Amino acid sequence: AQKVTQAQTEISVVEKEDVTLDCVYETRDTTYYLFWYKQPPSGELVFLIRRNSFDEQNEISGRYSWNFQKSTSSFNFTITASQVVDSAVYFCALSEHQGGSEKLVFGKGTKLTVNP
Amino acid sequence: DAGVIQSPRHEVTEMGQEVTLRCKPISGHDYLFWYRQTMMRGLELLIYFNNNVPIDDSGMPEDRFSAKMPNASFSTLKIQPSEPRDSAVYFCASSPLLRSGTGYSNYGYTFGSGTRLTVV
Repeated sequence: AQKVTQAQTEISVVEKEDVTLDCVYETRDTTYYLFWYKQPPSGELVFLIRRNSFDEQNEISGRYSWNFQKSTSSFNFTITASQVVDSAVYFCALSEHQGGSEKLVFGKGTKLTVNP
Repeated sequence: DAGVIQSPRHEVTEMGQEVTLRCKPISGHDYLFWYRQTMMRGLELLIYFNNNVPIDDSGMPEDRFSAKMPNASFSTLKIQPSEPRDSAVYFCASSPLLRSGTGYSNYGYTFGSGTRLTVV
């Protein structure tokens, strides 16, 4: 069965610090998708990124970057120069491709607090 | 596009009452998902549809829960009778077909704003 582990339950940083959110996943399939979602205090789930299992290139989008390493089954998320508006719960998720499954399984989330 | 639209945003009901949550997916999306979020269990997939057909309902807690998708633009999640332990935020999400061969695609599931259900 697929599983996503976000070992960091809560992280607190001071504005402008860099912060990395860890995500480790388990899957038996060779084709799968990894996602990150942001849930701000208002409660909606905001899609940040999707990564295919056969594409290990790192991704950078502004202050956000993602490091995908199949060798360690990790898909970590780094926020550079954090801002108060980054305060939210961040979820890593996994979707398997084979077997007709399109289930998106979420980790428990990491609550990030950025203090001014 | 207006995104995934859920209604109502908040629902407070008494134990034993029937509750119906509604969802309008993004036009053209092939998949529709119902998730439940609680502090204890996090985000759980309840059921998902592909082209209006239920594919996997193994996450539905019990027979009190049912979901339908009568057409491509509407889905309901019904709880009858409701119980206090059903109190949670219920999210609907939709997605286009994810598989794109070996191509890189930067889209994902789009979630609605959720329905916060409180059963007293």
